[in-house]
Order: sequence, then C-alpha cells, then structure tokens
Amino acid sequence: EAGVTQFPSHSVIEKGQTVTLRCDPISGHDNLYWYRRVMGKEIKFLLHFVKESKQDESGMPNNRFLAERTGGTYSTLKVQPAELEDSGVYFCASSQGRGINSPLHFGNGTRLTVT
Amino acid sequence: AQSVTQLDSQVPVFEEAPVELRCNYSSSVSVYLFWYVQYPNQGLQLLLKYLSGSTLVESINGFEAEFNKSQTSFHLRKPSVHISDTAEYFCAVSGSGGYQKVTFGTGTKLQVIP
Repeated sequence: EAGVTQFPSHSVIEKGQTVTLRCDPISGHDNLYWYRRVMGKEIKFLLHFVKESKQDESGMPNNRFLAERTGGTYSTLKVQPAELEDSGVYFCASSQGRGINSPLHFGNGTRLTVT
Repeated sequence: AQSVTQLDSQVPVFEEAPVELRCNYSSSVSVYLFWYVQYPNQGLQLLLKYLSGSTLVESINGFEAEFNKSQTSFHLRKPSVHISDTAEYFCAVSGSGGYQKVTFGTGTKLQVIP
C-alpha cells in the first residue's frame, strides 16, 4: 500500500510568487488533513477534507491560502501571493475514518522557503 | 482550549542510556494523548497513544509513556536508547473533536550519541 505522498519535497520561491503544494492520500482514505509547522514551532492544523468537502478550515491563516480536493482524491494547497511568514513545512495526512481510533498517516512534508 | 508543552527542544543522550522526554498538557475536557516520531526526511509516525484504560502505554520499539492526570503529564521514556532512535518526537493532545483538533507540541529532538 502506497503511503501519503507530497510534492514537491522542497520549494523555494520569492515573496509575492505563487506556489501549489500537492498531496496524494492513501487510496480509499476519505479524510485528508493539512498541517503546517513554522520555524521549528508546533505543528498546527490548517484544514480537514471529507472526500471533496471542506469539513473544517478553521486553521487556515488567511485568504492567501486556498485548498482544494476535486473529486475527493488528491488535494492541492495554493499560496498566493506568498509572504515570508509562510515559510515552513507543510504536512498532509489522511485517515480512513474520522474518529480518534482511525490512525493518521502523514506524508513526508513539503518544505517551503519564501525569500 | 488545549495546549501541549514540551520544555526540552533537544535531548542528547548516550547510546544504551535511559531517556525521558517530557510533555505536559492542559485541557478543560477529557483528553486523548499521543506521541509521534519523525525520523530524518520522513513524515510523522504514531509511536503510541493513550485513549482510555491503563495509564501506561507502550510502543513496539521499547518506548513507554504514562498518563498522569494529576500532574497533567504524558512523559515518554525508554530504558536504553539506540542510535536508530535519533529523531524528533512530538507530543500531541486531542479532545473529542477528532484529529482535526489535535494540538501538537513544539517537538523534542532526541540525539543518541554513540
């Protein structure tokens, strides 16, 4: 079984540019989550999809961030325009169920550097 | 609201020595507690979890953690570490809201010295 995959693994962009991160969850996992870790701080929840629907996007920092999950398969997270404070590691995770007994499977993350 | 405190950002320890990674939490409701591990260039993996029942939980690779409600702690311990344990460890807490409401700590880097 393939795990959660994220592309790219690293991205370096200039302030004001646009970047799109992609996450492919484990096949059959309806639940997909985005998290972010900024500058060695805690990992923070961004949003949660159930299939193609946004279940909870309370963690999205501002309207420069747009997440989509068309067709309920892979998801993209677009940052436009990027700011310096957006630098960090963006993690995607998926789970089969929503309950606490359904384990989260994380991808390796995308390290975003905004210069 | 809930929060997690990992006071130690880095913990160096010699191989085969014991280690304790500290975690304290605060929450106004009943909690579920987790330890995740991130090996270099990999994603987070669940190491162990406390949901209910016995307050001492163990992982398959020799780590254990004890839920202490009175001290609001969930410290991670291993009696004898190996080089392969070098990684970053994250404590996390969740209430009843599911994984989207998981709150992670800032992480502790465990460096095992040969």
